[in-house]
Amino acid sequence: QQQVKQSPQSLIVQKGGISIINCAYENTAFDYFPWYQQFPGKGPALLIAIRPDVSEKKEGRFTISFNKSAKQFSLHIMDSQPGDSATYFCAARRETSGSRLTFGEGTQLTVNP
Amino acid sequence: DGGITQSPKYLFRKEGQNVTLSCEQNLNHDAMYWYRQDPGQGLRLIYYSQIVNDFQKGDIAEGYSVSREKKESFPLTVTSAQKNPTAFYLCASSKQGPTHNEQFFGPGTRLTVL
Repeated sequence: QQQVKQSPQSLIVQKGGISIINCAYENTAFDYFPWYQQFPGKGPALLIAIRPDVSEKKEGRFTISFNKSAKQFSLHIMDSQPGDSATYFCAARRETSGSRLTFGEGTQLTVNP
Repeated sequence: DGGITQSPKYLFRKEGQNVTLSCEQNLNHDAMYWYRQDPGQGLRLIYYSQIVNDFQKGDIAEGYSVSREKKESFPLTVTSAQKNPTAFYLCASSKQGPTHNEQFFGPGTRLTVL
């Protein structure tokens, strides 16, 4: 049962453009929504995370937008750079599940120079 | 340096053989996790452990086994019962508690069944 749906599966953006990746969830018990970045052959690393009591969180060029009523959240990468080319995963955590995360399917981002 | 180490980086197995993937962390984290990564399917949880000598099945535990005899170590055994074991395996760890959410990942082990 896929509780977090991520789209698109792949994304190609020109340098300087905006990359947008979307995720939707079903379980209203989720209370923490992180995004992870993974480079080829490496393990994922936490990029940015948000809790449902805020609608937006920004860290540098990376912004999470959160829509609680629609049960959707998205990652925006401003001024995308070739070094941002990686696979991005959204995830969600249920407050009763400790630190266990449910991950989306992943988006492979390619930023062309 | 604090972190998570996984070994080996690449592993080749013949059909019918059991293999054990190593995961060690020196972050003093209570919780540890094993994920399997296949193209287009994200990260799927195999097993997780929140405390020494205790572990729970994740979403795809069939054909796998784990142990947690030490806080620092969480080895994963891929048994011959796993029908399609070729994949990238990731180990992670985290602190426990409602405000401790970040999972730290190791570099992964790529398992190929010949």
